[in-house]
Amino acid sequence: DAGVTQSPTHLIKTRGQQVTLRCSPKSGHDTVSWYQQALGQGPQFIFQYYEEEERQRGNFPDRFSGHQFPNYSSELNVNALLLGDSALYLCASSPASDYGYTFGSGTRLTVV
Amino acid sequence: GNSVTQMEGPVTLSEEAFLTINCTYTATGYPSLFWYVQYPGEGLQLLLKATKADDKGSNKGFEATYRKETTSFHLEKGSVQVSDSAVYFCALFRGNQFYFGTGTSLTVIP
Repeated sequence: DAGVTQSPTHLIKTRGQQVTLRCSPKSGHDTVSWYQQALGQGPQFIFQYYEEEERQRGNFPDRFSGHQFPNYSSELNVNALLLGDSALYLCASSPASDYGYTFGSGTRLTVV
Repeated sequence: GNSVTQMEGPVTLSEEAFLTINCTYTATGYPSLFWYVQYPGEGLQLLLKATKADDKGSNKGFEATYRKETTSFHLEKGSVQVSDSAVYFCALFRGNQFYFGTGTSLTVIP
């Protein structure tokens, strides 16, 4: 049974560019959350998607946006990249009925 | 608000030593509490959890007890192994999101 799959695993972008990260949830999970983990820090909640809608949002600017597709997969988009956006971006999926979250291995984004 | 404070590292122990990583929390209501582990270059793996006061979570020799009176969820293991070297995160779950501590790096030397 595949867990949460994230792609790509690593990427490098230039300041000011835009990036899209992708997440496929664990089978049977319909809720997807995104977290940002800066180096040496704990993960910070970005937002959560359920039924293709943003259900909840953390303290992140509008440059961070997302989408959830009918098959429950999700994308995280970041516009106008800043050096400070360099981080590990984690996707977590869960069934809507409880908080049995499964985390993916993350996408390491480096902004230069 | 909701927040987690955990013991700063890094922590270095010899194999078979006793481990304690302190974690305290501030939360509205009664959150669920978790310990996650992160190995180098990887995502988060659930280590253990507790959903209500006085619950004890346990897994792979690690234990933590949900103490409402002291708002704590300290992680313990009686005898660490080299393979336990990783970063450990304490977290609370409230309002559909996790609030993580800053992590404690553990290195176990043979």
